[in-house]
Amino acid sequence: KAGVTQTPRYLIKTRGQQVTLSCSPISGHRSVSWYQQTPGQGLQFLFEYFSETQRNKGNFPGRFSGRQFSNSRSEMNVSTLELGDSALYLCASSARGQGYNEQFFGPGTRLTVL
Amino acid sequence: KNQVEQSPQSLIILEGKNCTLQCNYTVSPFSNLRWYKQDTGRGPVSLTIMTFSENTKSNGRYTATLDADTKQSSLHITASQLSDSASYICVVAAADGNNRLAFGKGNQVVVIP
Repeated sequence: KAGVTQTPRYLIKTRGQQVTLSCSPISGHRSVSWYQQTPGQGLQFLFEYFSETQRNKGNFPGRFSGRQFSNSRSEMNVSTLELGDSALYLCASSARGQGYNEQFFGPGTRLTVL
Repeated sequence: KNQVEQSPQSLIILEGKNCTLQCNYTVSPFSNLRWYKQDTGRGPVSLTIMTFSENTKSNGRYTATLDADTKQSSLHITASQLSDSASYICVVAAADGNNRLAFGKGNQVVVIP
């Protein structure tokens, strides 16, 4: 069974631009969660989608948004990029939800904002 | 205040030696606890996931323990190898119906020859 895939793997943007990241979960998984990881803060929860509905949301500004499609693939969008948005963005999929059973993480997208 | 605290923040161990990482949590009510291994620049990989009724779980040279009464968990690495150099992250799920997770900041382990 194929693992979680994320595209692109690396991205360089400038302040003020917007970016869209993509995540394809493991086949059959209906939950996709997104996380931001920086060296000082560790993993920070952005949001979780389940069957195209946002189930949970972390404490990030409205510039961070996401959606999930009927095939469970998910996208995350960050508008008006700031230097502090530079981070590794990880998505993880699970069968029933991030709290209920094991999550499988993708390799991440490394975003650098100049 | 972070609901999951890990210690030590970082440690260096000699190849072949054992080490133990600690995770204390305040998450309540408790659902399950996971340990992940994350190599630099890569996504975390699950090592173990334990529920309330499980107090020990092994995955090769990795053994996790859980004491739900004291809200403590440990991850023991036996006969360390250079490939064990990574960050080990403790994650606790709450059984409060909100499906939320609390993440520790990780234990950074460096294994030297």
